[in-house]
Amino acid sequence: LAKTTQPISMDSYEGQEVNITCSHNNIATNDYITWYQQFPSQGPRFIIQGYKTKVTNEVASLFIPADRKSSTLSLPRVSLSDTAVYYCLVGGDYAGFQKLVFGTGTRLLVSP
Amino acid sequence: NAGVTQTPKFQVLKTGQSMTLQCAQDMNHNSMYWYRQDPGMGLRLIYYSASEGTTDKGEVPNGYNVSRLNKREFSLRLESAAPSQTSVYFCASSTADEKLFFGSGTQLSVL
Repeated sequence: LAKTTQPISMDSYEGQEVNITCSHNNIATNDYITWYQQFPSQGPRFIIQGYKTKVTNEVASLFIPADRKSSTLSLPRVSLSDTAVYYCLVGGDYAGFQKLVFGTGTRLLVSP
Repeated sequence: NAGVTQTPKFQVLKTGQSMTLQCAQDMNHNSMYWYRQDPGMGLRLIYYSASEGTTDKGEVPNGYNVSRLNKREFSLRLESAAPSQTSVYFCASSTADEKLFFGSGTQLSVL
């Protein structure tokens, strides 16, 4: 199983760009890299997913270097409502089964 | 579209009691999961089911059993609840490309 490592916490201010990096040295060839956002008392919510290079959607960008051993979630111009825990998840198809294990996550605090 | 539905939302048990947490998804996903999340901590995988009729252990399976009743439903059973099982339990299902969709969770307290 690919294990992920993220910073425990990050602080930012409204309007700034936030970059959260995740390390996944043991990523397998078939693994996707997926990021989730979790607010208190709610289940995690899908943000973005990628396999290699760069992916962008309406809320975030995901940068993945060629070796795929890390990835960076970029949140442009954060607001107070982006205060949440962000999880990087790397999982794959092991002998036909998916086994998606979460890391510790990064607690992002956005201040006015 | 309801997505992933979990019941109950809250439950209080006494040590030694048993209960089953129910989960159903209407997205036609093959894979389903049960996670637990202790206060201030990350999610830990209890059990997962890659498809109807198959289940497998995750990181913390001790004290739990699961049943994949059909493609839609995946239940989690605590046979003899212990205070260490006080947690929030999340059920999830995933697409073929591993995007997880979560239910709203069950907050369980074992006294």
